[in-house]
This record gives sequence, structure tokens and C-alpha cells, in this order.
Amino acid sequence: DTGVSQNPRHKITKRGQNVTFRCDPISEHNRLYWYRQTLGQGPEFLTYFQNEAQLEKSRLLSDRFSAERPKGSFSTLEIQRTEQGDSAMYLCASSFGTGLYGYTFGSGTRLTVV
Amino acid sequence: GQQVMQIPQYQHVQEGEDFTTYCNSSTTLSNIQWYKQRPGGHPVFLIQLVKSGEVKKQKRLTFQFGEAKKNSSLHITATQTTDVGTYFCADTGTASKLTFGTGTRLQVTL
Repeated sequence: DTGVSQNPRHKITKRGQNVTFRCDPISEHNRLYWYRQTLGQGPEFLTYFQNEAQLEKSRLLSDRFSAERPKGSFSTLEIQRTEQGDSAMYLCASSFGTGLYGYTFGSGTRLTVV
Repeated sequence: GQQVMQIPQYQHVQEGEDFTTYCNSSTTLSNIQWYKQRPGGHPVFLIQLVKSGEVKKQKRLTFQFGEAKKNSSLHITATQTTDVGTYFCADTGTASKLTFGTGTRLQVTL
């Protein structure tokens, strides 16, 4: 297992377009998280899944954002009608259980909305 | 909502000097985790502290959890250029989703 994999690594899109990112967690991990990080800031929680169930969503996650984790494996994060304020690094992380041994983060997808 | 602040925001040291970052929360922390993020990289887990007053060491790194569980610190002895990066503390909260601190960026020069 090579860790948490995210793709694409970079995405440039025009304002108003829809984008989708994918995250493949560590296979033994049952929890998967999405975070957003802007320059100079710490990651901000967006949502998390335990297996296929989405257990919590941040108030940051507007109705333009949707995340899925079919069959409790990989996850997708879709942003509809992108805005310039959506430009950020989108990080995926996974953990086994409650993350006692830490969360493993992927390399992220950097989104630029022009 | 909860605020987790770190000081300093930035520190520049010469190799061999010590470094400390402090993490303070407006509310009682559940468990505290520390992460390191290299420039252009992603957060990498360093350690978790659970108990009030806990102290853990990893080679040149010493982590402390405050007695009241409202603060934590990371101390690096004799910094090296490989220590460059941003250090984040993060509260695991009750639902085990991380609330990250504001981060301390460390620059080390020869």
C-alpha cells in the first residue's frame, strides 16, 4: 500500500464549471476525511465518512459541494458552479478507527478557479 | 467555535539552535496531535498526546500536554535543516475530526 492517493494533483478550471476530485485511502482504513487548506492556513475540516456513511459535514460545505464514498472504498468530492473563493488545496486523509495513530494525508489536489 | 492558536507564527533559527512552538485552545482539548508539513507537501503525523501533563519524546523532539488540557508545546533541540516546515497542532475533538491550529513556520539556516 502506497498511502493515500489523490488525483488530479492540479486542476485549473473556469468559474462556473464543475470539478470532481478523487481520493483512494489506505485500504485498511475505515474513516476518510476531506479538508481544505488555503495558503498560510491550517487545514479546515469539510466532511468525513466511516465506511460508506457520511457522518458529518462542516458548515463550510455549501450546497455546491458534495462528497460520496460508494462501497466504503474511494471517495469523490464534487464542486458545482465553482467560484474563485473555492481555490485551495483539497486534502484527503484516512484513519483506522478514531485516528489514535494519526491520520494519513494524501498529497492533495490544488484547485485554481480562474 | 473553538479556536486553536499557535505562537509564534514564524521563526527563523540558525542550525543548532532550539525551537519551541506553543499551541493554545479557547476550550479544553480532547487529544492533541502534532503534524509537520514541509513546503509544498502535506501534513505528516508526528504524535498524539492524550493525558493531562503528558510528555513524549521522539529523538530531538519533545511534546508536552498542559495540565489543564488547554495547551501543548513542541520543542526541537539543536535544529537541523531537515526540520524546516510548518508545525501544526490539532485537536481531535469528540467526533475525531481534527481542528488544526494556525501553525508555526520554521526556517532553519546554516
